[in-house]
Amino acid sequence: DAKTTQPNSMESNEEEPVHLPCNHSTISGTDYIHWYRQLPSQGPEYVIHGLTSNVNNRMASLAIAEDRKSSTLILHRATLRDAAVYYCILRDFFFNYVGGSSNTGKLIFGQGTTLQVKP
Amino acid sequence: DAGITQSPRHKVTETGTPVTLRCHQTENHRYMYWYRQDPGHGLRLIHYSYGVKDTDKGEVSDGYSVSRSKTEDFLLTLESATSSQTSVYFCATRDSLNQPQHFGDGTRLSIL
Repeated sequence: DAKTTQPNSMESNEEEPVHLPCNHSTISGTDYIHWYRQLPSQGPEYVIHGLTSNVNNRMASLAIAEDRKSSTLILHRATLRDAAVYYCILRDFFFNYVGGSSNTGKLIFGQGTTLQVKP
Repeated sequence: DAGITQSPRHKVTETGTPVTLRCHQTENHRYMYWYRQDPGHGLRLIHYSYGVKDTDKGEVSDGYSVSRSKTEDFLLTLESATSSQTSVYFCATRDSLNQPQHFGDGTRLSIL
């Protein structure tokens, strides 16, 4: 599985945009970029994912570099509730469609970025 | 969220005792996973299930066994608990492999 690199921690002010970077220089052509976050004392929760094009949903936006070696998770207006550990994870596209018991669908979590949001 | 309930939420037990953690889901998801989370290691996959009675090992499966006799329940058993198994355990489910995983709120297990 290709590896991702994220800053250990970042700070933001409430109601300001936050850009969380992720480097994945060894990404393969079939890897999707997934973001999960983990709030204190909770399990991880899905945020967004993409392959090549930028993606938006109600939680965040994902900007993917043209060479796909890096991506940025964008929270448009940070709230105190967004304080969490954010994980950038790569998943092989073919895990989605190849059947059989060897296809685990597992996620490999790194250390993530701890985001602090100041009031 | 995805209707995942983990029980117990907290447990303290002694080395050598058997421990069973339960993950119950109400969404009829096919895939279920057990992870453990430790400082410095992030989340690591212990075992997973791809259907009733269909399970397989993850990357840190030694000392753990699982069972899935019905869709909604996935049990994780520590046959003889050791202090190195002190951790926070998370269960996750997904409907299909192209859907996100949904996680429970975890079980904090301390083995003295």
